[in-house]
Amino acid sequence: KAGVTQTPRYLIKTRGQQVTLSCSPISGHRSVSWYQQTPGQGLQFLFEYFSETQRNKGNFPGRFSGRQFSNSRSEMNVSTLELGDSALYLCASSLQGDSKYEQYFGPGTRLTVT
Amino acid sequence: AQSVTQLGSHVSVSEGALVLLRCNYSSSVPPYLFWYVQYPNQGLQLLLKYTSAATLVKGINGFEAEFKKSETSFHLTKPSAHMSDAAEYFCAVKGRGGGNKLTFGTGTQLKVEL
Repeated sequence: KAGVTQTPRYLIKTRGQQVTLSCSPISGHRSVSWYQQTPGQGLQFLFEYFSETQRNKGNFPGRFSGRQFSNSRSEMNVSTLELGDSALYLCASSLQGDSKYEQYFGPGTRLTVT
Repeated sequence: AQSVTQLGSHVSVSEGALVLLRCNYSSSVPPYLFWYVQYPNQGLQLLLKYTSAATLVKGINGFEAEFKKSETSFHLTKPSAHMSDAAEYFCAVKGRGGGNKLTFGTGTQLKVEL
């Protein structure tokens, strides 16, 4: 079974632009979560989607948004990029929305904002 | 809210020596606990998980962890370190019934020396 895939793997954007990242979960998985990883703040939860509905949201500004499609694929969008948004963005999928299920991570998208 | 604390941001061991990475959790009820490993420029790989079925959990690559409620700990061990174990290790927690939001520790960088 194919793992979690994320596209693109690397991205360079300029301050003020917006960006969309894509995540395809493991086949059959219905929950998708997004995390931001930076050297200073570590791994931080952004949001979780299950059956096209946002279930949980982390402490990030409204510039960060996401959505999930009927095939469970998910996208996250960051508008009005700031230098501090430079990070590794990780997507994780889980079979169901229940917390007992483990999450499997993709390779991440490395976003650099200049 | 759940949290985890990883003691020691850097741990160095000799090849063949015991690996011990420490993780303590904070939660009002026994949570779900996970250990992930991250190799450079990659996503997170699940090593093992605790969901209350057994206190001693065996994972991949020879790693195991023991859940100790009295000590609120979930330390990761491996009897004999291999050079390929050099990576960053993250302990993470999820609350029961709280969806798929993972809260991560700050990570421990494991170095394996000849």
